[in-house]
Amino acid sequence: DGGITQSPKYLFRKEGQNVTLSCEQNLNHDAMYWYRQDPGQGLRLIYYSQIVNDFQKGDIAEGYSVSREKKESFPLTVTSAQKNPTAFYLCASSRLGQGDLQETQYFGPGTRLLVL
Amino acid sequence: GNSVTQMEGPVTLSEEAFLTINCTYTATGYPSLFWYVQYPGEGLQLLLKATKADDKGSNKGFEATYRKETTSFHLEKGSVQVSDSAVYFCALKGGNKLTFGTGTQLKVEL
Repeated sequence: DGGITQSPKYLFRKEGQNVTLSCEQNLNHDAMYWYRQDPGQGLRLIYYSQIVNDFQKGDIAEGYSVSREKKESFPLTVTSAQKNPTAFYLCASSRLGQGDLQETQYFGPGTRLLVL
Repeated sequence: GNSVTQMEGPVTLSEEAFLTINCTYTATGYPSLFWYVQYPGEGLQLLLKATKADDKGSNKGFEATYRKETTSFHLEKGSVQVSDSAVYFCALKGGNKLTFGTGTQLKVEL
């Protein structure tokens, strides 16, 4: 089945620790995105990438880093500089270009990050 | 910048009731509009979309019409079911980015 997988489902971070969230897609999409969701709020864009080895900051990139070494993979690292990391993290992907199909982002099941 | 405003929840309805969740937006140009649904503990699923003015998106009994004159994209369903209980997000796509509303929780009771 085509889709987006995120792992792990739950992740615990200790003080001062960096943690990495995995996102893989087999939809052959060029663009991938990371969002953060907090209770009672909409999704906020952290980083996005439209092509391998290139990515752009979103609205709340501070304290996060990403890489895009393969088209299928877009891991997110939550660094120790992120002082309030507890949230639900969602990865998404889409095609690029014009037209209806290119407009839609498809989401993974999410990773919930908790601070110990 | 772009923004999306949704009615606050939770919205609690009895099964078979009529549903409306209001969504208005502010954007430059002609954005595409979306409704996503999120079930507890899961990611977002695309429910429906509309890419130009007067388009109607529909799926699983839900409908929304892209109204440029009122900058709105209200979600409606004629008869809700308990299984429709979820959080619904309105979103617009301008350029490369999706801008989301804060979400509206729907609870449907027997």
